[in-house]
Amino acid sequence: RKEVEQDPGPFNVPEGATVAFNCTYSNSASQSFFWYRQDCRKEPKLLMSVYSSGNEDGRFTAQLNRASQYISLLIRDSKLSDSATYLCVVNFHTGRRALTFGSGTRLQVQP
Amino acid sequence: GAVVSQHPSWVICKSGTSVKIECRSLDFQATTMFWYRQFPKQSLMLMATSNEGSKATYEQGVEKDKFLINHASLTLSTLTVTSAHPEDSSFYICSARGSRDIQETQYFGPGTRLLVL
Repeated sequence: RKEVEQDPGPFNVPEGATVAFNCTYSNSASQSFFWYRQDCRKEPKLLMSVYSSGNEDGRFTAQLNRASQYISLLIRDSKLSDSATYLCVVNFHTGRRALTFGSGTRLQVQP
Repeated sequence: GAVVSQHPSWVICKSGTSVKIECRSLDFQATTMFWYRQFPKQSLMLMATSNEGSKATYEQGVEKDKFLINHASLTLSTLTVTSAHPEDSSFYICSARGSRDIQETQYFGPGTRLLVL
């Protein structure tokens, strides 16, 4: 089983739609959670951290359910510029303390 | 925000040559740098963790003699792919974590595309 699992998509949605991505992680000792965005042939860029109480940044809302080991990202009012691959990322805070990436969910927003 | 640079951004080389990639933190000190590799349509896979002044820690399956990592200063880490082969062609990305960052945020370099012919 992968340490971080995501639906690979692609999700094809019209402009203005609301879209949700889900992610599950296997290590219950995980401490830090993030959503990164990666554009084609570019490096990942931090979209937002995910906090236990849930957090919102403009059109983006992230939720964390520790009991179910589940993370979600909701994008409202999708823009063409939101088209990218969204990576669910977990930091297990043990040993090397490196980030573990999901394989990403591809979003294509269509006009 | 924190900036991480990588050089070169593109490399095309013949099989058997060695390629050196530099990763620099431009406006902060990075006690730890990470090297990732990403094959097409796959996720980033951690290759090794590099701490300033000490030996790198390699992930299982990554040959330390093939992928030489040096982290000689708080702002520079290098990855050398020795005797590169076509199967080493990939997107290599480094990230750096600040020494004072309690949130463990990592900042990524723009990546280096390696094509071995």
